[in-house]
Amino acid sequence: GENVEQHPSTLSVQEGDSAVIKCTYSDSASNYFPWYKQELGKGPQLIIDIRSNVGEKKDQRIAVTLNKTAKHFSLHITETQPEDSAVYFCAAAWYGSYQLTFGKGTKLSVIP
Amino acid sequence: NAGVTQTPKFQVLKTGQSMTLQCAQDMNHNSMYWYRQDPGMGLRLIYYSASEGTTDKGEVPNGYNVSRLNKREFSLRLESAAPSQTSVYFCASSEGPGGYTEAFFGQGTRLTVV
Repeated sequence: GENVEQHPSTLSVQEGDSAVIKCTYSDSASNYFPWYKQELGKGPQLIIDIRSNVGEKKDQRIAVTLNKTAKHFSLHITETQPEDSAVYFCAAAWYGSYQLTFGKGTKLSVIP
Repeated sequence: NAGVTQTPKFQVLKTGQSMTLQCAQDMNHNSMYWYRQDPGMGLRLIYYSASEGTTDKGEVPNGYNVSRLNKREFSLRLESAAPSQTSVYFCASSEGPGGYTEAFFGQGTRLTVV
């Protein structure tokens, strides 16, 4: 089955700096890669996703890049703000699958 | 619009006791899921229901059963709880397969088995 590795497990940045979280996946058939944000005491919430026919996708301060050849994808957050502090999860699945495989999460702390 | 509602939010069980975690969604979604979240382990799929009337095993189904009661409701049952089932349980729903549609998560149920 699919295996998703996520790094780093914790990340601290100064407010206004950029944050980058990286994930690698094992199954070359995977073609859907969402990112979820989980705030303390809440369920995960989708923040951005990318499909394998696209190399990069942006939404305001967040962006995701995908390298299919190397089987890795990354989340980039620019101009970080305290409200970006949360746990971020990457995931992978093949199109039409019901089984999302999640990474183990990255705890991001933005220091004011 | 409540989204995905889970009950209870917290529960303490003794080893060997049984209980059912309830989940309901009001988004008219076809698919529903149960995940468990353990420290350092991410989210792991226990069971899912692609549509009303169907259920399938996920990555970690042992020790659990599920029922898709109707389109809105999907319950998770622990028949004989074990300490290894101490976890935070999340229910989620999506319009279609999680591989191409957004999954919406509930607030979670924190379960402790002593």
